[in-house]
Amino acid sequence: ETGVTQTPRHLVMGMTNKKSLKCEQHLGHNAMYWYKQSAKKPLELMFVYSLEERVENNSVPSRFSPECPNSSHLFLHLHTLQPEDSALYLCASSQLRGGRDTQYFGPGTRLTVL
Amino acid sequence: AQSVAQPEDQVNVAEGNPLTVKCTYSVSGNPYLFWYVQYPNRGLQFLLKYITGDNLVKGSYGFEAEFNKSQTSFHLKKPSALVSDSALYFCAVSSNYGGSQGNLIFGKGTKLSVKP
Repeated sequence: ETGVTQTPRHLVMGMTNKKSLKCEQHLGHNAMYWYKQSAKKPLELMFVYSLEERVENNSVPSRFSPECPNSSHLFLHLHTLQPEDSALYLCASSQLRGGRDTQYFGPGTRLTVL
Repeated sequence: AQSVAQPEDQVNVAEGNPLTVKCTYSVSGNPYLFWYVQYPNRGLQFLLKYITGDNLVKGSYGFEAEFNKSQTSFHLKKPSALVSDSALYFCAVSSNYGGSQGNLIFGKGTKLSVKP
């Protein structure tokens, strides 16, 4: 798991706060991903960055704003969240190989919105 | 549309017995199939994948999975379960078809419980 790190591991925020989640990959990969894992729901792909360009945005509300300044770092900026946004947010990275690539996940950030 | 089904929410097995966690898929193009495991308060750990070649794939911690094209299945197996195998298991699929190559579609997960 040390190949992909995420901070913070736990975050509690109010609905009016602004916070950011950070992900860093040490694997030399060229793609990074944000997923949302809620109780009793399948993992939801939120954003995909390929070579630092956003290539996927699965109808995610604008209160979630991703940023990928370079191939090793990925951020998820949060503002005016809702209680239903409480979930485990997972970051992953891979080396793109036309669908055959393996994604490696970080430990996640457990987010609670009050 | 791509989809993955894990028909069992939970699988209970006695330690030392063989285990099977089921997965079926639907995909356009060539399927690439993955199994991940998630322990409490941890991220997903890669176990094994099928890309091409031998239908029986061996992975980490003694796990293996068999790709069955006719049944569109990719069941996870282990000959002898350990208590430490208790965790949440996810099957996932991607393909070489279309504009979303590399995007994984996950099943809802199966909780494996191994009792001593």
